[in-house]
Amino acid sequence: DAGITQSPRHKVTETGTPVTLRCHQTENHRYMYWYRQDPGHGLRLIHYSYGVKDTDKGEVSDGYSVSRSKTEDFLLTLESATSSQTSVYFCATKPGQSNEKLFFGSGTQLSVL
Amino acid sequence: TQLLEQSPQFLSIQEGENLTVYCNSSSVFSSLQWYRQEPGEGPVLLVTVVTGGEVKKLKRLTFQFGDARKDSSLHITAAQPGDTGLYLCAGVRGSSNTGKLIFGQGTTLQVKP
Repeated sequence: DAGITQSPRHKVTETGTPVTLRCHQTENHRYMYWYRQDPGHGLRLIHYSYGVKDTDKGEVSDGYSVSRSKTEDFLLTLESATSSQTSVYFCATKPGQSNEKLFFGSGTQLSVL
Repeated sequence: TQLLEQSPQFLSIQEGENLTVYCNSSSVFSSLQWYRQEPGEGPVLLVTVVTGGEVKKLKRLTFQFGDARKDSSLHITAAQPGDTGLYLCAGVRGSSNTGKLIFGQGTTLQVKP
């Protein structure tokens, strides 16, 4: 358990509205990730961060942006939510470069109507 | 297309039975991980295999990494209801240390008492 808190745990929003999901960690892990989980697709990487203000795109980054202004917080923003972004979003962290074990939060269920 | 193919996607068995879950790819991975996920929670790492042909045991679970490092299997002996959950394989390609895992679609296991 890496002390990862995701908020909110559940959210329902309307198409076209902006949404921000927050991931907060207490273990001072360097790397942070946002994944989405959909039936039949497993987990797919949206964006990741390898340090404060250092972020990069994953395989499904279109429509999403991220920010990391502090080590402990990694924000995922949907600028204009679409129904295709209905999913369960997981934040994960990794301590350092040589340790590949990921620690996951409990997820955020997002429904875009 | 899914880079890591898991099979079967669903498995429902009786307590005490044995089962094997497969994770296959046409690509080579430097390491492969197996995670278990329970409803409403994030995945939790079970094991990491690194060397081609490597076999690791975790109580009644046996994990194997293929000789060519393109596939892996998870074998459960005498399954118990507590083994119920979603099993995910995830691979690291090349020498990346960024923790960018590629996940399979997952195998949902139900063990009936």
